[in-house]
Amino acid sequence: DIQMTQSPSSVSASVGDRVTITCRASQGISSWLAWYQQKPGKAPKLLIYAASSLQSGVPSRFSGSGSGTDFTLTISSLQPEDFATYYCQKANTFPFTFGPGTKVDIK
Amino acid sequence: EVQLVESGGGLVQPGGSLRLSCAASGFTFSSYWMHWVRQAPGKGLVWVSRINSDGTSTNYADSVKGRFTISRDNAKNTLNLQMNSLRAEDTAVYHCTCGSREYFHHWGQGTLVTVSS
Repeated sequence: DIQMTQSPSSVSASVGDRVTITCRASQGISSWLAWYQQKPGKAPKLLIYAASSLQSGVPSRFSGSGSGTDFTLTISSLQPEDFATYYCQKANTFPFTFGPGTKVDIK
Repeated sequence: EVQLVESGGGLVQPGGSLRLSCAASGFTFSSYWMHWVRQAPGKGLVWVSRINSDGTSTNYADSVKGRFTISRDNAKNTLNLQMNSLRAEDTAVYHCTCGSREYFHHWGQGTLVTVSS
């Protein structure tokens, strides 16, 4: 099975900072990748699918890039409501594996 | 507004069974793939199963294959997950999600399943 890794596992940042999270697949997955945001006690929320397509209603400060094995989620200017855990998910084949998550907290 | 409301979770002994349901509203249920994704306490997300829009195609994670059965009732806008031979490692919050074949566009809040003696 293809394994997904994320880095960093956690990041401390301030409001207004640019934050970049990386996701890596153990084998190429083309652009079959999504990003989700999860706040404590809440359901995950889809942010990005197909590596770079912004889900309807998601603020434009979120963007995704990459293809093959290396992907990036960027938050251009961190807002208070963005403090959460972010997961990537591969979508090309079964199983639909998620990365271990990256926690973004307040510096 | 899309709403997905799970029910049926609870405490069950190892080897026991449980049936989860998900009531969907706010969208054309019969047009979308549906998935179950679970999250053990304090852990990450794990995809469990999916079913196509008319219920004719299903897929499962290896960890639940042969024990869990996903189904849907498009007349009642309901998704189900029959879970048999439950193990301690099945303890998790189970989320119902809707979307495409591969992506989970909308999520329910989840229902907690605890497998313990």
